[in-house]
Amino acid sequence: NAGVTQTPKFQVLKTGQSMTLQCAQDMNHEYMSWYRQDPGMGLRLIHYSVGAGITDQGEVPNGYNVSRSTTEDFPLRLLSAAPSQTSVYFCASSLRGNFYEQYFGPGTRLTVT
Amino acid sequence: KNEVEQSPQNLTAQEGEFITINCSYSVGISALHWLQQHPGGGIVSLFMLSSGKKKHGRLIATINIQEKHSSLHITASHPRDSAVYICAVWTGNQFYFGTGTSLTVIP
Repeated sequence: NAGVTQTPKFQVLKTGQSMTLQCAQDMNHEYMSWYRQDPGMGLRLIHYSVGAGITDQGEVPNGYNVSRSTTEDFPLRLLSAAPSQTSVYFCASSLRGNFYEQYFGPGTRLTVT
Repeated sequence: KNEVEQSPQNLTAQEGEFITINCSYSVGISALHWLQQHPGGGIVSLFMLSSGKKKHGRLIATINIQEKHSSLHITASHPRDSAVYICAVWTGNQFYFGTGTSLTVIP
């Protein structure tokens, strides 16, 4: 199993550009989530999904969209990038929810100039 | 105000020492997770607890639900344990993370 994969590893965007961060898992996990990690603030939940077709907002959802058309994929879309979205983004999955072990992707380092 | 507080923020230990990292939280929880973030940035789940105590190798995690407190212990610490240790709580509809404890184990 590849586990949780994320692409790209690094990305630089200009303010106002849009892009999609890709996340995929091959463990047949129902639950997937996106976090951002900023210095001194710890990880914060952006959006999560409890299964294909079902998504919900986390603590910091503004400026981000998600969809879950398949069990395997959970892309995160930045609609109009802002410098405040400069961060490291992690995707994670677990079998059925946050009562289960979380598996994290390697992260995407995004810089918005 | 942080829902999850960890202490200490930074910790330096000599190889072989017994280490304790503490986590206190202020919300009602369904589960508490301990995570390890390697110097390269990757995050690994160490434990998920809802009560009592769990042990995996040299790592032990305990939780006291009434006191809203959890501890992560590392016995016979080793330089490869050097990492950031993160406490996270799941309330049932929200996930809150501590800012992490940075551990350095010196040979």
